[in-house]
Amino acid sequence: KAGVTQTPRYLIKTRGQQVTLSCSPISGHRSVSWYQQTPGQGLQFLFEYFSETQRNKGNFPGRFSGRQFSNSRSEMNVSTLELGDSALYLCASSSGVSNYGYTFGSGTRLTVV
Amino acid sequence: EDKVVQSPLSLVVHEGDTVTLNCSYEVTNFRSLLWYKQEKKAPTFLFMLTSSGIEKKSGRLSSILDKKELSSILNITATQTGDSAIYLCAVEGTSGTYKYIFGTGTRLKVLA
Repeated sequence: KAGVTQTPRYLIKTRGQQVTLSCSPISGHRSVSWYQQTPGQGLQFLFEYFSETQRNKGNFPGRFSGRQFSNSRSEMNVSTLELGDSALYLCASSSGVSNYGYTFGSGTRLTVV
Repeated sequence: EDKVVQSPLSLVVHEGDTVTLNCSYEVTNFRSLLWYKQEKKAPTFLFMLTSSGIEKKSGRLSSILDKKELSSILNITATQTGDSAIYLCAVEGTSGTYKYIFGTGTRLKVLA
């Protein structure tokens, strides 16, 4: 059973650019959540998608957006990149039913220069 | 505002020592508490706790939830260098949605 796949693994972008990250969940999982991880802040919740609908959203500016496709794959977009957006972006999938927790992908390491 | 606090922030021990990691939370409508181990990138699942006072155990690791104290502990006995990692606590607590709030983690280093 394949795990959660995130692409790309690493990314270097310049301030002001935009970036799109991709996440393919475990087969059969309908919920995809995105987290930003930085050394000082830990894992910060960005948003959760379930059956193509955003079900929950964290406290991030509108530059951070996402979507989910009918096959449950999800993309996250960050526009007008800032230096502070440098982080590890983790995607986690679940069945969408509580009490089953998350399975995480290996993340995308984004560096903004 | 919902929050999860872990302590200590970091810990250095020697192989064979026993460690106890703490997680306390303030969340609305608690549903579950999870522990994860993060060695390089992808956090890996350790335990899910929903009922107070019931210990979950896996090898040298064990965890217990205390709903009265709004806290959980993760114990690791006979530590090994392979236990070196960040240990993350997450709590699901938002009514009607399935959002996990994470603590900043405890960084454990086990010296040979």
